[in-house]
Amino acid sequence: QKEVEQDPGPLSVPEGAIVSLNCTYSNSAFQYFMWYRQYSRKGPELLMYTYSSGNKEDGRFTAQVDKSSKYISLFIRDSQPSDSATYLCAMASNDYKLSFGAGTTVTVRA
Amino acid sequence: GAVVSQHPSRVICKSGTSVKIECRSLDFQATTMFWYRQFPKQSLMLMATSNEGSKATYEQGVEKDKFLINHASLTLSTLTVTSAHPEDSSFYICSAQEGVTNEKLFFGSGTQLSVL
Repeated sequence: QKEVEQDPGPLSVPEGAIVSLNCTYSNSAFQYFMWYRQYSRKGPELLMYTYSSGNKEDGRFTAQVDKSSKYISLFIRDSQPSDSATYLCAMASNDYKLSFGAGTTVTVRA
Repeated sequence: GAVVSQHPSRVICKSGTSVKIECRSLDFQATTMFWYRQFPKQSLMLMATSNEGSKATYEQGVEKDKFLINHASLTLSTLTVTSAHPEDSSFYICSAQEGVTNEKLFFGSGTQLSVL
């Protein structure tokens, strides 16, 4: 079993829709949770960073963490074609080494 | 945000040659840098962690004699793929950590290595 499970998609939504992404994990030592956006053949870019259960909002992005269920989510409201990318979840414990999900490819149709 | 420069962005080489990839933190000092490998439609796999002035720590299954890492200064780490073979073809990405939290981890733009 992988430490971090993420459905690779692909996910296709119309412009303006809410994009819902999620990851599950098995390592209860994970304390830090991140979402990255990666465009094709580019390095990942940090979108959201959390370290506690609950919701964190930043503009159109909301990250949710449920440590009891070992489940994290990312929601993108009012999605735009420019949001089309691969979204990676990542997690770390105290050693700061990141474990990544496989990434979900999202296409927002104009 | 902070900038991490990675060069080259793309390299094509013949089997048996060695390839060096550079990773530079342009506007901050990075005590720790990480090297990842990513296959198409797959996740980033951590290869090694390098700290300035000390030997790199390699993940299980990564050949340290094959993938030489040098972190000679607080702003530069290099990955050399020695005697490259077609199975080494992949997308290699570095990241540099500013400070002690994951929030301050910045990624390079990646290097696509193709070994013929």
